[in-house]
Amino acid sequence: QKEVEQNSGPLSVPEGAIASLNCTYSDRVSQSFFWYRQYSGKSPELIMSIYSNGDKEDGRFTAQLNKASQYVSLLIRDSQPSDSATYLCAVNGVNTGFQKLVFGTGTRLLVSP
Amino acid sequence: DADVTQTPRNRITKTGKRIMLECSQTKGHDRMYWYRQDPGLGLRLIYYSFDVKDINKGEISDGYSVSRQAQAKFSLSLESAIPNQTALYFCATSDPTSGDTDTQYFGPGTRLTVL
Repeated sequence: QKEVEQNSGPLSVPEGAIASLNCTYSDRVSQSFFWYRQYSGKSPELIMSIYSNGDKEDGRFTAQLNKASQYVSLLIRDSQPSDSATYLCAVNGVNTGFQKLVFGTGTRLLVSP
Repeated sequence: DADVTQTPRNRITKTGKRIMLECSQTKGHDRMYWYRQDPGLGLRLIYYSFDVKDINKGEISDGYSVSRQAQAKFSLSLESAIPNQTALYFCATSDPTSGDTDTQYFGPGTRLTVL
């Protein structure tokens, strides 16, 4: 089992719709969770961090964390074509000594006009 | 100016050549990381450093070496480049004293091609 798993996609949504991206992780004692956005050929850019169970909202983005079920999700409301990118989930935990992040392979999102 | 810079941005080299990729940061962060990214494999950690005197191997360190010349500089070397080291390389930094202790900030990347 991979430490951090994401569906590679592509996830296709029409402009204005809600995009839902999911991530599961294997380390039960992980403490920090991140969503990065990466455009093709560019570097990952932090969108959200979340540390506690529940929802965290920032503009059109909402991160949701459920430690009991070991998943973290990212919702993008009112999706725009400029949101088309690969979204990387990253997690830290005891297996890394809480010192390093483990990244998923990313979900590619396509938002059509 | 960018907080994390990488040079060169693109490099084409031949098998067996020694090359160095450089990373500099003005964020004042103690922690620095080198990753490589390959299609379908995601970001994989090569080396990381928590301060000038602390260097640690990541999951794929074979064939690579690093040097932390100063808090702001962290270099990655390929002693004898081979074609399967063709990839996109990223440097990243983080600050353990900030509220977001694990958040990593990435440089623009270096696209390396080994022929």
